[in-house]
Amino acid sequence: GENVEQHPSTLSVQEGDSAVIKCTYSDSASNYFPWYKQELGKGPQLIIDIRSNVGEKKDQRIAVTLNKTAKHFSLHITETQPEDSAVYFCAASGRTYKYIFGTGTRLKVLA
Amino acid sequence: GAVVSQHPSRVICKSGTSVKIECRSLDFQATTMFWYRQFPKKSLMLMATSNEGSKATYEQGVEKDKFLINHASLTLSTLTVTSAHPEDSSFYICSALGLAVRYNEQFFGPGTRLTVL
Repeated sequence: GENVEQHPSTLSVQEGDSAVIKCTYSDSASNYFPWYKQELGKGPQLIIDIRSNVGEKKDQRIAVTLNKTAKHFSLHITETQPEDSAVYFCAASGRTYKYIFGTGTRLKVLA
Repeated sequence: GAVVSQHPSRVICKSGTSVKIECRSLDFQATTMFWYRQFPKKSLMLMATSNEGSKATYEQGVEKDKFLINHASLTLSTLTVTSAHPEDSSFYICSALGLAVRYNEQFFGPGTRLTVL
């Protein structure tokens, strides 16, 4: 069935360093790839997304890249801050509008 | 814009009782809403897709008689956990698809923490 693999499961970085989280999807019909940040006890919050007709998108310290041929997409956070610490989920969506979520990455930014 | 609310945010109930969770799209119409379940330190697992005015579509392995979903209007979907048991304790999250707002994007609610004693 359709699935999304996400790596790493945990990531610790020093404040100010960059963090990269990678996802691989299986359904070639996927055309929308959102990234969510989830803090403890809260719902997921959209931080950035990309559609299949675009290879890269940037919003201040956050960027997402998409390689449709390889079915890979990645989240890049630069100049990390302690408040970036959270769990991050990638997702892929296509014809049915259903999201297939990745397994999550727990990011810790060390001050 | 595109805000989704859930009520209640937390609920504690006794085993055997039923619990209803509401999901509302506050400033847009949502013909489709989704219900997810999330266990501690795990990802979101889609339980069912709810379409306004029609029966919900459940994912494989989700008991439709245990988790009753009603989507009676374009802004409200409800999830009722019937005869709840401790294993139903979880974080339940809804989302709403606002096709007229932004194509493909689901807007998520803040979640409901259910604890069954």
